[in-house]
Amino acid sequence: GAGVSQTPSNKVTEKGKYVELRCDPISGHTALYWYRQSLGQGPEFLIYFQGTGAADDSGLPNDRFFAVRPEGSVSTLKIQRTERGDSAVYLCASSPQGSGGGETQYFGPGTRLLVL
Amino acid sequence: DQQVKQNSPSLSVQEGRISILNCDYTNSMFDYFLWYKKYPAEGPTFLISISSIKDKNEDGRFTVFLNKSAKHLSLHIVPSQPGDSAVYFCAARGGGGSQGNLIFGKGTKLSVKP
Repeated sequence: GAGVSQTPSNKVTEKGKYVELRCDPISGHTALYWYRQSLGQGPEFLIYFQGTGAADDSGLPNDRFFAVRPEGSVSTLKIQRTERGDSAVYLCASSPQGSGGGETQYFGPGTRLLVL
Repeated sequence: DQQVKQNSPSLSVQEGRISILNCDYTNSMFDYFLWYKKYPAEGPTFLISISSIKDKNEDGRFTVFLNKSAKHLSLHIVPSQPGDSAVYFCAARGGGGSQGNLIFGKGTKLSVKP
């Protein structure tokens, strides 16, 4: 029914802490994407799930970033030992199949992460 | 090196006139292009798309033109309305096996003045 939802909408944390960001895709969408948008930039790709598996994680900046989608619906992006440079808006998107056949990706409102 | 470039950070247009937003790309393997519109504190909203096998796609007031030889696309909004004021992102999907992710430009902020 509803669109992509993301929680929390805002997250403030301290350098070195661990954070989890959640994404609920549109019901029935098998493909799920995570992007990160820094100030003045366009969204940058992080990782793409097809069902439960990560089909492409080439955008993850380093091993502090990890994402899961254990049941093929909700996904969690996990950031360990946060750094001030991780501050950004983290966007989640979903699409029906992710087959590459010209599908549109539908975005959630994003989680604004601020690392102090 | 940016593969998708929106060289105009901002554009101001009078209500009722045409808005033309431009986008250039470098990768000839891109097979699909999209325009998203973004209001503050919201996620990008899909606007219109075009396959690389076409040169034009129209949806109401919005038309996207693709010039493959120039690696250039543009979004035309006619007539422009104050509610169109937002940041517009051009995005491309990588062909050649990269089927999932979109590559975005930095965006153009459109202001439509009444």
